[in-house]
Amino acid sequence: DTGVSQDPRHKITKRGQNVTFRCDPISEHNRLYWYRQTLGQGPEFLTYFQNEAQLEKSRLLSDRFSAERPKGSFSTLEIQRTEQGDSAMYLCASSLGTVENYGYTFGSGTRLTVV
Amino acid sequence: QKEVEQDPGPLSVPEGAIVSLNCTYSNSAFQYFMWYRQYSRKGPELLMYTYSSGNKEDGRFTAQVDKSSKYISLFIRDSQPSDSATYLCAMKGRDNTDKLIFGTGTRLQVFP
Repeated sequence: DTGVSQDPRHKITKRGQNVTFRCDPISEHNRLYWYRQTLGQGPEFLTYFQNEAQLEKSRLLSDRFSAERPKGSFSTLEIQRTEQGDSAMYLCASSLGTVENYGYTFGSGTRLTVV
Repeated sequence: QKEVEQDPGPLSVPEGAIVSLNCTYSNSAFQYFMWYRQYSRKGPELLMYTYSSGNKEDGRFTAQVDKSSKYISLFIRDSQPSDSATYLCAMKGRDNTDKLIFGTGTRLQVFP
């Protein structure tokens, strides 16, 4: 297992289009997280899953955003009707358990540019 | 006011220098403190983790937490050009959430 994998690495889309990102966590990790990072800022929490259950969603996750983790394996993050303000790096992370015990392992992210 | 404040830098030091990176925070409930390193175009990687107050050392890295001052530090001894990266502090409280609150990151440049 080579770590957390995210696809695509880069996505350029026109405003108003829908986009979907995929994250494949480390196989034995049951927790999966999505964060968003804009230039010059630290990652901001979006949502996280334990297995297939979505346990918490940030207020940043507007109704245009949806995340799923079917069967508790890979996860997808969809953004509908993209806006220029959605341009950011979308980071996925996974963990064997609670963050205070295990920390996160991050993927390399998907960089979204909305034009 | 942000919950976690971190000087964005850049901090530029010569190879071999001792580097001090710092964060302040406002939420007294924070108990778990982490430092992540992020290279350009990569995701953050966990460097150090400290619970509550005290020091922790790992090789050239030392993490310190001063809860009374709401201040955490990361020291890098004998800095190397390969240490050039952005350093992010992150923290959380003893609650049911599993999310981390990150600082904005400090960009470090170590020149030969």
